[in-house]
Amino acid sequence: ETGVTQSPTHLIKTRGQQVTLRCSSQSGHNTVSWYQQALGQGPQFIFQYYREEENGRGNFPPRFSGLQFPNYSSELNVNALELDDSALYLCASSLVNTEAFFGQGTRLTVV
Amino acid sequence: SQQGEEDPQALSIQEGENATMNCSYKTSINNLQWYRQNSGRGLVHLILIRSNEREKHSGRLRVTLDTSKKSSSLLITASRAADTASYFCATAGNNRKLIWGLGTSLAVNP
Repeated sequence: ETGVTQSPTHLIKTRGQQVTLRCSSQSGHNTVSWYQQALGQGPQFIFQYYREEENGRGNFPPRFSGLQFPNYSSELNVNALELDDSALYLCASSLVNTEAFFGQGTRLTVV
Repeated sequence: SQQGEEDPQALSIQEGENATMNCSYKTSINNLQWYRQNSGRGLVHLILIRSNEREKHSGRLRVTLDTSKKSSSLLITASRAADTASYFCATAGNNRKLIWGLGTSLAVNP
């Protein structure tokens, strides 16, 4: 158990819909990162939040957005879902430049 | 974009043998980390090696880092069936982001 929890664990959405994924970080960690992992691939960095501010972003379009709350929990929002958005979405909490602790992920399927 | 490239992509060995996986990266780093992933679920941190370290041990794991060659290796000694998983390296630079390789899929046969 890493202390990082993600919800929901599985989700099926229709193309064009919007989705919100949630992550609660490990106690004391002020940095949350989100990753997208397609089947058979390594995780791709979406963005990172540090003390409620976005602190870096990968090559993802603006329809991927996020929030970090004062308790350091976080949300990932994806608008106008596309079939290629189907993937495992991973949240990781950490301190700066230390090991990341991952949740179990949310499996999103877009049909 | 991927920074690390793991080699081999897939490895199949017998229980009791050693497994070696390699990772190469492209830019300067603060540290390099190895993670394990079972069945497409969350990743578990195994070991972190800083850029000024050359070798690190943790139980049956041994990690080396050669910054001149921008490469790292993970050795699992006396492998067990429970070691079957995907193994990823990730590099951390000054921007706090972890950049990941594609992973090595390890199968340990009983």
